[in-house]
Amino acid sequence: DGGITQSPKYLFRKEGQNVTLSCEQNLNHDAMYWYRQDPGQGLRLIYYSQIVNDFQKGDIAEGYSVSREKKESFPLTVTSAQKNPTAFYLCASSIGQAYSNTEAFFGQGTRLTVV
Amino acid sequence: RKEVEQDPGPFNVPEGATVAFNCTYSNSASQSFFWYRQDCRKEPKLLMSVYSSGNEDGRFTAQLNRASQYISLLIRDSKLSDSATYLCVVSHYTGGFKTIFGAGTRLFVKA
Repeated sequence: DGGITQSPKYLFRKEGQNVTLSCEQNLNHDAMYWYRQDPGQGLRLIYYSQIVNDFQKGDIAEGYSVSREKKESFPLTVTSAQKNPTAFYLCASSIGQAYSNTEAFFGQGTRLTVV
Repeated sequence: RKEVEQDPGPFNVPEGATVAFNCTYSNSASQSFFWYRQDCRKEPKLLMSVYSSGNEDGRFTAQLNRASQYISLLIRDSKLSDSATYLCVVSHYTGGFKTIFGAGTRLFVKA
């Protein structure tokens, strides 16, 4: 079945450590996104990529980094520069190109907690 | 100004009530519009797309007003299972589609 997979589901990080969240899709989608959601809050865009080897900052990119070396994969690194990284991280993908229907499909999310 | 704005709620309604959510967007070049539903501690899932002529899916009706740049979602005969957060989503094309999510409106349906 086609879909988008995030791992791990739960992640604990010590202060000062970098951690990488995985996001893989087999939907053949060009566009991929990373969002952060805090308790009781909406989704905030961290980074997005419309094509392989290209990505743009979203609204809250500071303290995060991404890569898009393959169409299927869009990993997110939470660096030690991110001061408050505890949150629910959601990866999504959409067709991206010149189509009018751009439904986004989500992974099940990663809950990151700093201990 | 945020690109997509929603009333955060929460909306507390009894079963059987009709409830309406509104959402405004700032980019007049926006081309695609959606409503997503997010259950507590889960990922968002598509509820319905919003078309220019308006569209209905069972108890749910979505409307788009391009002139005023807002979209709406109407839920009739609310069920307990409708309790969730409803996210307004807007996409526009900038060399590829960019998708913007609203912060969501929480709905609680009570018996």
